[in-house]
Amino acid sequence: NAGVMQNPRHLVRRRGQEARLRCSPMKGHSHVYWYRQLPEEGLKFMVYLQKENIIDESGMPKERFSAEFPKEGPSILRIQQVVRGDSAAYFCASSPPGGGGNTIYFGEGSWLTVV
Amino acid sequence: QKEVEQNSGPLSVPEGAIASLNCTYSDRGSQSFFWYRQYSGKSPELIMSIYSNGDKEDGRFTAQLNKASQYVSLLIRDSQPSDSATYLCAADYYGGSQGNLIFGKGTKLSVKP
Repeated sequence: NAGVMQNPRHLVRRRGQEARLRCSPMKGHSHVYWYRQLPEEGLKFMVYLQKENIIDESGMPKERFSAEFPKEGPSILRIQQVVRGDSAAYFCASSPPGGGGNTIYFGEGSWLTVV
Repeated sequence: QKEVEQNSGPLSVPEGAIASLNCTYSDRGSQSFFWYRQYSGKSPELIMSIYSNGDKEDGRFTAQLNKASQYVSLLIRDSQPSDSATYLCAADYYGGSQGNLIFGKGTKLSVKP
């Protein structure tokens, strides 16, 4: 039973480039969440998506960041024109449909380094 | 600003002892609470969830919730060196969407052999 799959695990980008992080939820899960963990900081909620819908993007920075969860394929978190402050671990999580929506399971994370 | 506060530690306990981890939360409306364990460079792993006042036990782990005091704790009995990790406390964001959890910065636990 595969868990939440994220790739790439490590990504290095130069300032101004784009970063694309991908996430496939756990089998049977239809809700996807993205969190960011800055060095020495707690996890911060970014966005909650269902297939083809952004449900809550209250934690997303207003500019340069976008997320999608298409009908087919993984969820993608896209960061345009990256800056050094974007260097962080980005964790995707998923939860099953129906009850227990706050019980979320994290993937292994994507570590973004901006140089 | 809704917050979850934890002592950053490190908390050091000898092998076999009880480790006691605590957190407080600011949002009185929060209803669900979670403890995650995170090894360095790894993903958070869900250990316990608790929703009602009182204790909830699972193996060597006991979570305690006191909503009146806005306080959550995690006890680890018979601590093992493999329990050495950062423990994250989280509470749901009342009024937010599902899966919108507020995390503390974590308490680093070190279990000495």
